[in-house]
Amino acid sequence: DAGITQSPRHKVTETGTPVTLRCHQTENHRYMYWYRQDPGHGLRLIHYSYGVKDTDKGEVSDGYSVSRSKTEDFLLTLESATSSQTSVYFCAISESVGQGFFGYGYTFGSGTRLTVV
Amino acid sequence: SQQGEEDPQALSIQEGENATMNCSYKTSINNLQWYRQNSGRGLVHLILIRSNEREKHSGRLRVTLDTSKKSSSLLITASRAADTASYFCATGGEGSNYKLTFGKGTLLTVNP
Repeated sequence: DAGITQSPRHKVTETGTPVTLRCHQTENHRYMYWYRQDPGHGLRLIHYSYGVKDTDKGEVSDGYSVSRSKTEDFLLTLESATSSQTSVYFCAISESVGQGFFGYGYTFGSGTRLTVV
Repeated sequence: SQQGEEDPQALSIQEGENATMNCSYKTSINNLQWYRQNSGRGLVHLILIRSNEREKHSGRLRVTLDTSKKSSSLLITASRAADTASYFCATGGEGSNYKLTFGKGTLLTVNP
């Protein structure tokens, strides 16, 4: 997807190990998000960021942490991976809400398929 | 918890037919959006409708919004095999329109 890349695309890791997923954007958008997608649950928000060093929790944040030291990068860390964190992880970006009272659509990355064994 | 719930969960139609998907939500919204996801890919934004709008068109897509019923519908006219995908509605809440809550999606299959 233009302007946003996720890495790695696939990863297999062992239970108890830390894992970091990376999201990189070239759009200079203020807002960045991490979602997980699971069968039967749709997409659920893990964490989001509204600026450098400004982050907040979503609905399924337990076991995850994030960091944003630069506008273009948003990192998601699984502190100690568990099998329940096996999922497809999507990063998304959107423009600043200040420019549009009614909000903007998201641009999604291609996803990271994470398997915890 | 899910804000939007799509209906039906799965829909199978023939090429050329129209496809209608519905979305219901629970709390007041600022905007409602529809996304498409092809198998193994990320979601693609289709259309955004504001809470003060009732209908919006984009090419073969028509979206309606009824805030009194807390529901929306997505109509795809003259469907094509390439429209086969999952479709998700997402809502932006009042005061937090930058943060979307997604439904579980409708899987649309268009048979040639």
